Amino acid sequence: DVKVTQSSRYLVKRTGEKVFLECVQDMDHENMFWYRQDPGLGLRLIYFSYDVKMKEKGDIPEGYSVSREKKERFSLILESASTNQTSMYLCASSSLGYEQYFGPGTRLTVT
Amino acid sequence: GENVEQHPSTLSVQEGDSAVIKCTYSDSASNYFPWYKQELGKRPQLIIDIRSNVGEKKDQRIAVTLNKTAKHFSLHITETQPEDSAVYFCAASSNYKLTFGKGTLLTVNP
Repeated sequence: DVKVTQSSRYLVKRTGEKVFLECVQDMDHENMFWYRQDPGLGLRLIYFSYDVKMKEKGDIPEGYSVSREKKERFSLILESASTNQTSMYLCASSSLGYEQYFGPGTRLTVT
Repeated sequence: GENVEQHPSTLSVQEGDSAVIKCTYSDSASNYFPWYKQELGKRPQLIIDIRSNVGEKKDQRIAVTLNKTAKHFSLHITETQPEDSAVYFCAASSNYKLTFGKGTLLTVNP
């Protein structure tokens, strides 16, 4: 059974703080993804990685960065959190067969 | 880049009726079309997918159809049950990156 875990279910941070969201998968998947989910907007891709140390921008990368030092771990970094980054953040992983497996999500509130 | 439109945004049906959700995509290179179901407070989970060399795929009460010429695909749920109530997302991919529609909130009334 594929398992994708995220470091926190709920997180509250202050404006300007640096925020780290971590994602770990246990299926040796090559690809990992970070999405944000907002009501009425669906899932929007922030960044993805197709290999260790490799990353590509998704549709909404502004204000975010990522790190993938190990195959199983993909981190999303908010350098200076802002209130418009309050959202649900979902991590996913996939092998070359396209199906993406999602983590439980982190609900981030920036005050 | 790819753009996926999904309709309707909300759908309410009576238990036992059928439900149909439609999506269109823009990139003719897209060749993989999954559907995800997300129950309230839970993660999205794949329920069915179709690749571009197939026109229709069925799995028990759910089916997906694909029209590559028109660039649209649809999810069909027959004999709906209350546990089908959820948000459904379509997506399209031309590589390993998925572009999602905005979602359809399906409510099945007992």
